[in-house]
Amino acid sequence: RKEVEQDPGPFNVPEGATVAFNCTYSNSASQSFFWYRQDCRKEPKLLMSVYSSGNEDGRFTAQLNRASQYISLLIRDSKLSDSATYLCVVNLNKLVFGAGTILRVKS
Amino acid sequence: DAGVTQSPTHLIKTRGQHVTLRCSPISGHKSVSWYQQVLGQGPQFIFQYYEKEERGRGNFPDRFSARQFPNYSSELNVNALLLGDSALYLCASSLGPSGGPGDTQYFGPGTRLTVL
Repeated sequence: RKEVEQDPGPFNVPEGATVAFNCTYSNSASQSFFWYRQDCRKEPKLLMSVYSSGNEDGRFTAQLNRASQYISLLIRDSKLSDSATYLCVVNLNKLVFGAGTILRVKS
Repeated sequence: DAGVTQSPTHLIKTRGQHVTLRCSPISGHKSVSWYQQVLGQGPQFIFQYYEKEERGRGNFPDRFSARQFPNYSSELNVNALLLGDSALYLCASSLGPSGGPGDTQYFGPGTRLTVL
C-alpha cells in the first residue's frame, strides 16, 4: 500500500465550479500535512499547511481527519489559473508525496 | 530575496557516467533536502542534510550520495548512471530539519537529468 494515496484525476471542471480532492495516508505517526501545487514542468510550491481544526486561505479550504487518516482540499470558484497538479504531502521526518491529482479548469 | 537555486537546469549524460547537481538554499535556511521526481509521480525523498550532517536517507542505492557545505549549499552526486535515473531532481530548503520548528520546505526549480 502506498504511504500517500490520491485520486490521479484528471478533474475537468468549468470556471466557477467547486472541486474537492481527497487523500489518505497510511502511517499514523505522520506529524504534519501539506498541499503543494505543481505546474507542468515546474517545481512544487507550497499551497497550504493542513491543521486538525481545518484551515482556510481565500478560496482554498483544507481539512485533516487524523482518526480516518484522511486529508482534503476544497477549491471554490475555480479559476483557469488553478489548473495544475495538486500534491498531498505528509511529514514523517521527511516529506512523503502522493502522486498528485490533476485539475483542469476550462472556460 | 532569492529563492532556492539549482544548477544546472538541464543535463544530458550517458549510461555509466557520473553527475553532480548543486543547490543553494534560501538565505538563513540550514536544511537541504533532495528529491527525485519521475514523470507522472510525486517527488521521492533521497536525502536530508541539516547543519552539514545527514539527517535522513530515502530508499535509493549507494550510487547516490550528497553533502552539505559550511555555507549550507549542497551537492547531490550520482555514480554509474542508469537510464532509470532520468528524472527531475529537486532541492528543497527549510530553516530546520523535518519534524522540528521551521521545517516547511521550499523547492528550487530542479535539474532535469536525461540519461541516454
